[in-house]
Amino acid sequence: KQEVTQIPAALSVPEGENLVLNCSFTDSAIYNLQWFRQDPGKGLTSLLLIQSSQREQTSGRLNASLDKSSGRSTLYIAASQPGDSATYLCAVRPGYGNKLVFGAGTILRVKS
Amino acid sequence: GAGVSQTPSNKVTEKGKYVELRCDPISGHTALYWYRQSLGQGPEFLIYFQGTGAADDSGLPNDRFFAVRPEGSVSTLKIQRTERGDSAVYLCASSPRGAGGSYNEQFFGPGTRLTVL
Repeated sequence: KQEVTQIPAALSVPEGENLVLNCSFTDSAIYNLQWFRQDPGKGLTSLLLIQSSQREQTSGRLNASLDKSSGRSTLYIAASQPGDSATYLCAVRPGYGNKLVFGAGTILRVKS
Repeated sequence: GAGVSQTPSNKVTEKGKYVELRCDPISGHTALYWYRQSLGQGPEFLIYFQGTGAADDSGLPNDRFFAVRPEGSVSTLKIQRTERGDSAVYLCASSPRGAGGSYNEQFFGPGTRLTVL
């Protein structure tokens, strides 16, 4: 059974810092991995999707990497801003189905 | 174009009542998913539709939960004899295609917050 773990559970940083969020998964047989952002009381916004054959994806100040063999992904946020404050969720699509398996998320607070 | 929409945004009901939650996927998306998110947790899969049929309902917690998608577009999640433990945010997602495709980004709606008193 695929399990996804996110570390840290919460993170508070001053504005301008670069930061890394970690995601690990137990079964390396995945189709893809997605990083999402969730604001309080809102739905999920897709940030980046990495296919199983890819090593990384970039969008603006965000960079996500994937090491499938070790079951790890990182989300790198450069020059953090208060508007980046949200919960960040990592999800994998296992190779045996279409559902996403989510981690519990990292709650990020960027202080101005 | 419009994203995934869900109605109602909030639903408060009493224990034992029946509720229906609606999802309108992105136009043209053939795959539709329901997830449930409890406080402080990530979403958990409930059911996946490819077209009109439920291709995977392994996440439904028990037979009080049922979902339909009769015309391959709008879906309704139905919960009978609600219990306090059913309180959660119910999220719907859609993607352009499902089975057979490996690169399917899922787009989520804003969710319905269900509170069972």
